[in-house]
Amino acid sequence: DAGITQSPRYKITETGRQVTLMCHQTWSHSYMFWYRQDLGHGLRLIYYSAAADITDKGEVPDGYVVSRSKTENFPLTLESATRSQTSVYFCASSEIRLAGGNEQFFGPGTRLTVL
Amino acid sequence: DQQVKQNSPSLSVQEGRISILNCDYTNSMFDYFLWYKKYPAEGPTFLISISSIKDKNEDGRFTVFLNKSAKHLSLHIVPSQPGDSAVYFCAASANAGNMLTFGGGTRLMVKP
Repeated sequence: DAGITQSPRYKITETGRQVTLMCHQTWSHSYMFWYRQDLGHGLRLIYYSAAADITDKGEVPDGYVVSRSKTENFPLTLESATRSQTSVYFCASSEIRLAGGNEQFFGPGTRLTVL
Repeated sequence: DQQVKQNSPSLSVQEGRISILNCDYTNSMFDYFLWYKKYPAEGPTFLISISSIKDKNEDGRFTVFLNKSAKHLSLHIVPSQPGDSAVYFCAASANAGNMLTFGGGTRLMVKP
């Protein structure tokens, strides 16, 4: 499928378990991002990547790990899930900003519940 | 400290009338602003954007206004339609960068 996809779409896990959320894009965009959406906070950046093997922290990185061995994939791992990580997670991608702007394209999201 | 704020969590408008969604920012380095629309169980989708060198950008029923001196932007939807009911996020980027800072969102409800 063309575009940006996320899997799974829904996940229920228990406190302390490791969880990996997958993100795949077919545009060969340089930049990829992970956000979480919580009521009252909008979208907050967790981690981002400017290219394969280049990642950096966003606003709320604690408890998360990312990797980017291939341009098209950007998995997000919760090493030991906590209830506060219950959220909706969005992956996004964009090309390097040109004069016209830096629109990001979002995946459909993963709703994660940590019990 | 939130650099991008949407002070109205929700807005209800009658079909056919104008919807005005507001957004305030504090970072004077922001030079590009975007609006995204989000339906339930879907990812946000880009709606319209504006560069800081402009004060207005129009695309069909959607117009974004930027007031740099007030650090304020607004999205006007005319006429509003029931299908416009969604959560709207404003976002901003600085210094020709690729990072976006998002506001908390405003839920728009357009009543038939």
